[in-house]
Amino acid sequence: AQSVAQPEDQVNVAEGNPLTVKCTYSVSGNPYLFWYVQYPNRGLQFLLKYITGDNLVKGSYGFEAEFNKSQTSFHLKKPSALVSDSALYFCAVRDRGRVTGGGNKLTFGTGTQLKVEL
Amino acid sequence: DGGITQSPKYLFRKEGQNVTLSCEQNLNHDAMYWYRQDPGQGLRLIYYSQIVNDFQKGDIAEGYSVSREKKESFPLTVTSAQKNPTAFYLCATKLDTSGNTIYFGEGSWLTVV
Repeated sequence: AQSVAQPEDQVNVAEGNPLTVKCTYSVSGNPYLFWYVQYPNRGLQFLLKYITGDNLVKGSYGFEAEFNKSQTSFHLKKPSALVSDSALYFCAVRDRGRVTGGGNKLTFGTGTQLKVEL
Repeated sequence: DGGITQSPKYLFRKEGQNVTLSCEQNLNHDAMYWYRQDPGQGLRLIYYSQIVNDFQKGDIAEGYSVSREKKESFPLTVTSAQKNPTAFYLCATKLDTSGNTIYFGEGSWLTVV
């Protein structure tokens, strides 16, 4: 079974400071990894994904994430946070080796609320 | 305008009633999904469909039903058998079974009154 853990329910950071939202995963094979952002009463917006290749992935709005296979982590980062980054962030994983049936689905973490303050 | 359209945005259901949430897409994506979102629990998969006229149960299918008669449409019916239906429901699509990224609609709030 695949799973995702987001160990922090909430992360607070001052505007202009770097931010990190943590994610660890578990799959039987190699992972596809994703980050999504959700603003209040809205759907999830895709930020970035790791499929293969460079461990550092760059995405929308200045976000990036680093895939670390040995630590089974995929932490989301941004060098300088903005108040407008305040939202709910979800990490998700899919087992790369299972592309049909139930193995094709994503498993989501429980989300991390990011609050960026002036 | 391309995208995924969910309607209605807000829906109130009386106990014992069935209600249907609409999801329409013009992205020409093969796969469609329904997720339920509850606070602190992340997203849970209700049903998914990889092609027209085929769909599969997800992790929490009890009390729900779907159909996929057209590629563009994947309606979700919340039946009276669903004992705790109050939640935020999200429809999503993906290009095909080999595609990697799923894209979400804006969601529908269902409240039991």
